[in-house]
Amino acid sequence: QLQLQESGPGLGKPSETLSLTCTVSGGSITSSSYHWGWIRQPPGKGLEWIASIYYTGTTYYNPSLKSRVAISADASKNQFSLKLSSVTAADTAVYYCARLSMTAGSYWGQGTLVTVSS
Amino acid sequence: QTVVTQEPSFSVSPGGTVTLTCGLTSGSVSTSYYPSWLQQTPGQAPRTLIYSTNSRSSGVPDRFSGSIRGNKAALTLTGAQADDESDYYCALYMGNGIWVFGGGTKVTVL
Repeated sequence: QLQLQESGPGLGKPSETLSLTCTVSGGSITSSSYHWGWIRQPPGKGLEWIASIYYTGTTYYNPSLKSRVAISADASKNQFSLKLSSVTAADTAVYYCARLSMTAGSYWGQGTLVTVSS
Repeated sequence: QTVVTQEPSFSVSPGGTVTLTCGLTSGSVSTSYYPSWLQQTPGQAPRTLIYSTNSRSSGVPDRFSGSIRGNKAALTLTGAQADDESDYYCALYMGNGIWVFGGGTKVTVL
C-alpha cells in the first residue's frame, strides 16, 4: 500500500527557507507516469499546487511561486523534497505531498502544518 | 491567468441528489484536462473520489459519479448521506506539468 509521509520543521521565521521532505513507501518515485508533488492549504482555505517532479526528474512549478521554490528527489532514499525561500506569514499552511496522476488519481500524505512566525 | 471555478457551497437533503461543477474562467473543461474530484473532511487529507473525468477510485461508493456537462466537469452525488458532508475540490491537469485546484465546494447534508 502506497504511503507518503511529510517531515520537516513545524515552525519557521520570516525570511528563512522552509525545507520539507516526503518519504514514499509501498511504491517507487521512479515509477512510470507519476508526478510527485507538493500542495499546500492555508488555514480555512483551499488547495494550492506548489510544484511537482516527474518520474523522469523533470520539475514543474506554480508560476506564482516559482521564484522561491525548488523541488528535488533522491531515488536512493525514495524521497522528494521542497525548499521554499523567503517565507512570510502568508506561507503558513498545511503542506501535503502527493502522487499525482492524470489516469490514476492522486494519493496524499497526511500533511504537516508549517507556521511562519517571528 | 486561468482560474478554476466551483460553487462555494451547496446544501442537499439526505437521500437527495446534488451536482457540483468545475469550470474555467477562460475556456471549457474537457476530458483533456483529466478532471478529478477530491473529498476532504475537517482535519483530514484530501482523498480522490473521481479521476480522469469519470473513473471512480477504489472503495468509493457508486453514488458518486463524474462527467462533463456542457463546458464544465461535474460531480454528481446521488442519495446523499450524512457522512458525505465535506469539502469537495476539483483538480485539473493544465498540461506541461501544471496542476490547478478549484476553490472547493462545501456540501452540507441537512
